[in-house]
Amino acid sequence: AIVLNQSPSSIVASQGEKVTITCRASSSISSNYLHWYQQKPGAFPKLVIYSTSYRASGIPSRFSGSGSGTSYSFTISRVEAEDVATYYCQQGSSNPFTFGSGTKLEIK
Amino acid sequence: QVQLKESGPGLVQPSETLSLTCTVSGFSLTSNSVHWVRQPPGKGLEWMGIIRSGGSTDYNSALKSRLSISRDTSKSQVFLKMNSLQTEDTAIYYCTRGRYNSGYYFDYWGQGVMVTVSS
Repeated sequence: AIVLNQSPSSIVASQGEKVTITCRASSSISSNYLHWYQQKPGAFPKLVIYSTSYRASGIPSRFSGSGSGTSYSFTISRVEAEDVATYYCQQGSSNPFTFGSGTKLEIK
Repeated sequence: QVQLKESGPGLVQPSETLSLTCTVSGFSLTSNSVHWVRQPPGKGLEWMGIIRSGGSTDYNSALKSRLSISRDTSKSQVFLKMNSLQTEDTAIYYCTRGRYNSGYYFDYWGQGVMVTVSS
């Protein structure tokens, strides 16, 4: 199974700050196969970025993604209060379609 | 619009079988895949399995011996059955629509159903 190591496990940021989350895969995957989700407290996960860098429908431009091979990143350019959530990366390359362990974003 | 909704018992006895239904609307099961993902309380997400548009299935090897996914396209429903439940199977169970761009991602999710395994 492809293991996704996500870091950091938690972030505390101020509104307006830039935050970056890293997802490292245990083996190389195509950029088509790496995706990011946002899960707000008490809610189901929501697709934010698919295929490394494409924003899902309705997602603000402050969210972006990049990467290749085994190293991927997810960035919020200017954090807003509504971005408080846990963020997960996911690989769709091979069964099982694994998720990272999550990064919890809190606002100062 | 695309919607998925899970239903099933909230409480299951240890060693018994879990049966969940995912009722979808706004898309066809014969053109889309549906996946099951679960999340133990306070923990991360675990992909369980897929039923593809053609009806074929694949399962997470960690669950394969206990898990079965099927569907009734006439009712727009997907079914999950998992036997020999243990307390560690306590989780929120989600069904999701899978989109394929060389690999799968999940663009729509149900609200989830909480399943507690306890006597």
